[in-house]
Amino acid sequence: ETGVTQTPRHLVMGMTNKKSLKCEQHLGHNAMYWYKQSAKKPLELMFVYSLEERVENNSVPSRFSPECPNSSHLFLHLHTLQPEDSALYLCASSQAVQSGAYEQYFGPGTRLTVT
Amino acid sequence: AQSVTQLDSQVPVFEEAPVELRCNYSSSVSVYLFWYVQYPNQGLQLLLKYLSGSTLVKGINGFEAEFNKSQTSFHLRKPSVHISDTAEYFCAVSVRGLIQGAQKLVFGQGTRLTINP
Repeated sequence: ETGVTQTPRHLVMGMTNKKSLKCEQHLGHNAMYWYKQSAKKPLELMFVYSLEERVENNSVPSRFSPECPNSSHLFLHLHTLQPEDSALYLCASSQAVQSGAYEQYFGPGTRLTVT
Repeated sequence: AQSVTQLDSQVPVFEEAPVELRCNYSSSVSVYLFWYVQYPNQGLQLLLKYLSGSTLVKGINGFEAEFNKSQTSFHLRKPSVHISDTAEYFCAVSVRGLIQGAQKLVFGQGTRLTINP
């Protein structure tokens, strides 16, 4: 595997289900990100981890719970979601450098549908 | 706070014609600028970036962009497009020195480029 991988690629879940999205990066980076991409809206940054520490939580509802067990893996735990949470969830990684001068590398995303 | 505006939500172009996708940003501090492309059913891929130095930046697939500080713009151009350039294009800005070395990107709404034969 190379780059950033995400599983599953597609997920359909009911509002009472609990599921998890997984992201893995094979680039040796130490910062990881979750984004939400909805139709007709800009990409929304949800969470940022730098050196395995959560450094940004962008006012995301508590029904979304991130976990970063090490610098290569990132999870997004989902529970009691709403239909408006249906979207493409993108994971990204980058080097953690104070200047912020590094690009982010994105995974292919998980297409989530909440029924 | 930073913001990014992509002035065109959709741009239809004929194959082999030139194209320009417009991007304006607002920020009171120095920024880094990026263009990403998203092909159907894929994540985002970096096209090019401006960090410092020459204001004309060349990227992959024949794309280039010019940073204009006075107009706070970072327009993307390609002199001759191909069918394979059909995709969604995102302009993004990052502010220096934020959040413990990680990067906070603010994206524009995206421009859907459609190449017609």
